[in-house]
Parts: sequence; structure tokens; C-alpha cells
Amino acid sequence: NAGVTQTPKFQVLKTGQSMTLQCAQDMNHEYMSWYRQDPGMGLRLIHYSVGAGITDQGEVPNGYNVSRSTTEDFPLRLLSAAPSQTSVYFCASRVDTGENYGYTFGSGTRLTVV
Amino acid sequence: GDSVTQMEGPVTLSEEAFLTINCTYTATGYPSLFWYVQYPGEGLQLLLKATKADDKGSNKGFEATYRKETTSFHLEKGSVQVSDSAVYFCARSGGFKTIFGAGTRLFVKA
Repeated sequence: NAGVTQTPKFQVLKTGQSMTLQCAQDMNHEYMSWYRQDPGMGLRLIHYSVGAGITDQGEVPNGYNVSRSTTEDFPLRLLSAAPSQTSVYFCASRVDTGENYGYTFGSGTRLTVV
Repeated sequence: GDSVTQMEGPVTLSEEAFLTINCTYTATGYPSLFWYVQYPGEGLQLLLKATKADDKGSNKGFEATYRKETTSFHLEKGSVQVSDSAVYFCARSGGFKTIFGAGTRLFVKA
């Protein structure tokens, strides 16, 4: 059982470049989300999805796009990278009921924009 | 808006000391409350949870009680180990959004 898989683990981009962070889960969770983690600020929600074809914005959506064509995959796209997007990005999926209620996180993508 | 406030770190303790990490939350609605732990270079892992007032979550010697009257969910452990060194996050979940605290780094010295 792989859980939540994120790729790549590390990435360096130049300002203005675009890229896609990949996230896949094999637990059949309907809910998936993207967070960014910055020192002293905890985790901030970028976008989330409650099922295939349904996405919505979180606290800090500007500069990011998402789509959810399947239950398993939830990619995050950076449209035009900026230094302010240097961060660690976590994808998470969630089950809302039962004893396993709570998030399962991926291991993160450390992104540096120069 | 909704928020979670944790005590600032780092917290430095000697092995076998008692641990408390304070957490308070905004009381809008009926949130579920969580503690997550993050080890270096890894994602967050669910440590424990409580879904309603007066519930006590516990796991690996850690425990926290959902206190509605004080809007608190403090994390405690009676005797910490070096292996408990990590960053601990308190979180509240209501509806589709989960709000995390800023995290508290714990160092445990042998």
C-alpha cells in the first residue's frame, strides 16, 4: 500500500518557468488537497478537491492551478514560477469517517525558484 | 476566520521529562481536532485525534483531551524519548478545510 506518492522530491525552477507537481493516492480517497509549508507559518491550503471533476480554492490559490480527472491523481500546476513560491509542497488525501479519519500526507516536494 | 494557535518553540527537554505543547482553536461549529507529527525530511503523520468535546485521543504515549470550555487541545506525554524529537502540529477540521497551527519543534536530549 503506497499511500500518497509525490514527485519530484526536489526541483529548482527559474523565475517564469512552469511545472507540474504530481500527486497520486491508491486508497480510493475522495478528498485530496495541496498545502505549502513555510517556516513559522505552518501549512497553508492551496487547493482541494472533494472528488473527480470537483476542485476549489484554499487560502493561497494565486499562481497555482489544479485539476482532478481521476480519483487517484491530483496534480498541482505552477503557471509562472516566482521566488515567493519557494516552499515545501505537500499533497494529502483524507478519509472522513471511521477509525482512520484524518489525513495521509505525501513526503513532499521541495521547490526552489531562483 | 478559523484558526489554530500553538505555543512557539523550540521546546527542549531532557529524556524522561514531561511534555506539554499547548494548542487552542477557534470554536466555530463542531470541529474535529488533531495532532500531527513531522520527522525531518518527511511528511506529516497523524498522531492522534478527537472528534467531539471531552474525547481523549491517545497514541504512542501521547494524549490530548478536547476541551470545549477552554477551546484547547493540549498535547501531553509523561516521559519523552530522544526519538520523539520532531515538529508537532495541532489542527482543526470542519467541513472541507483543515487549518493547521504553525508547528512546535521539540528537541529531546539524552
